[in-house]
Amino acid sequence: DGGITQSPKYLFRKEGQNVTLSCEQNLNHDAMYWYRQDPGQGLRLIYYSQIVNDFQKGDIAEGYSVSREKKESFPLTVTSAQKNPTAFYLCASSVTSTYNEQFFGPGTRLTVL
Amino acid sequence: AQKVTQAQTEISVVEKEDVTLDCVYETRDTTYYLFWYKQPPSGELVFLIRRNSFDEQNEISGRYSWNFQKSTSSFNFTITASQVVDSAVYFCALSEAGDDKIIFGKGTRLHILP
Repeated sequence: DGGITQSPKYLFRKEGQNVTLSCEQNLNHDAMYWYRQDPGQGLRLIYYSQIVNDFQKGDIAEGYSVSREKKESFPLTVTSAQKNPTAFYLCASSVTSTYNEQFFGPGTRLTVL
Repeated sequence: AQKVTQAQTEISVVEKEDVTLDCVYETRDTTYYLFWYKQPPSGELVFLIRRNSFDEQNEISGRYSWNFQKSTSSFNFTITASQVVDSAVYFCALSEAGDDKIIFGKGTRLHILP
């Protein structure tokens, strides 16, 4: 089945620790995205990548980092510099980055204790 | 600057009623795309529709219909004969020509009561 996988579904970390969220897609999409969702805030773009080995900051990139070494993978690291990391994180991909609908993974709910 | 406003934060209707979710957008571009997504309690966003700015025809897909009106910058979504399974958060979104990103509204939480 083609789709986007994110693991794990729930993640707990202690304050001050970096944590990496995984996102894998087998849709052969060029573009991939990371969003953060907080209650009542809608989706906010963290980082996106239009092509392998290239990525751009979104609206709330501070405290996060990404890599795009393979077309199918776009991991997100939440660093200790992120002041409020507890949130629901959604990964998405699209055929290309312009005009096309994005398809979403199931999300990872990160809780920092 | 582009913006998407979903003024209805939360709506509750009784099953089998019709319900319309409002979406108003702002853009300076003449070429743009509008989207609707559904987020059920499981959390994954499900793509529902994409409409480009040059196509103002209304669209119907089963119980779902969309009304795109450029004159009022609106792209409203109607569910006919609502069902409990329609309970979800619905997001309207906008992408401008040449932009790599989609801007999402804050969503409308829809409760369908049995």
